[in-house]
Amino acid sequence: DIQMTQSPSSLSASVGDRVTITCRASQGISHYLAWFQQKPGKAPRSLINGASTLQSGVSSKFSGSGSGTDFTLTISSLQPEDFATYYCQQYSTYPFSFGPGTKVDIK
Amino acid sequence: EVHLVESGGGLVKPGGSLRLSCAASGFSFTNSYMSWVRQAPGKGLEWVGHIVTISHGGTSTYGAPVKDRFTISRDDSKSTLYLQMDSLKTEDTAMYYCGTGSASDTWGQGTMVTVSS
Repeated sequence: DIQMTQSPSSLSASVGDRVTITCRASQGISHYLAWFQQKPGKAPRSLINGASTLQSGVSSKFSGSGSGTDFTLTISSLQPEDFATYYCQQYSTYPFSFGPGTKVDIK
Repeated sequence: EVHLVESGGGLVKPGGSLRLSCAASGFSFTNSYMSWVRQAPGKGLEWVGHIVTISHGGTSTYGAPVKDRFTISRDDSKSTLYLQMDSLKTEDTAMYYCGTGSASDTWGQGTMVTVSS
């Protein structure tokens, strides 16, 4: 099975900061990587699929990159509404799997 | 607009069964792969399983913790996805979400399942 890891597990940042979250797969997954945002008590929301394709309606301050085993999610200028937990998921090989999450909170 | 509404959650005793439903609208359900994902209280997301379209064989695949106990099915005439959960364990307690596609592009609001004696 493919194991997904994320770093850091949590981070504190200020409004306006540029934030980068890393996701790593235990084996190559090509570009079959999605990113999700989840706020407390809410369902997750898809941000990016195909490693770098922004979902319709998602702000362009979010961007994704990577291929193979190493991926990044970047938030160009952190806003108050961006404080949340972010998850990556591989959908290359069954069973699909999620990373453990990265919690972004206010410094 | 894509809309998913899960239902059927509740309290069930260990060893019991429950069937969740996910009513879909606003997109071509027939042509969509569908997923189930769960989240235990205070924990991260866990992939439960996935079903492909009938035209691609209608097969379903599962994560190890639920394999042989859970069954995913679909009724394209009703645009509804199902999750039949048997031999439930306390560790199955979670919010259950359905999602569109392999990458869960759109999610429902979830339905809570509590397994407790």
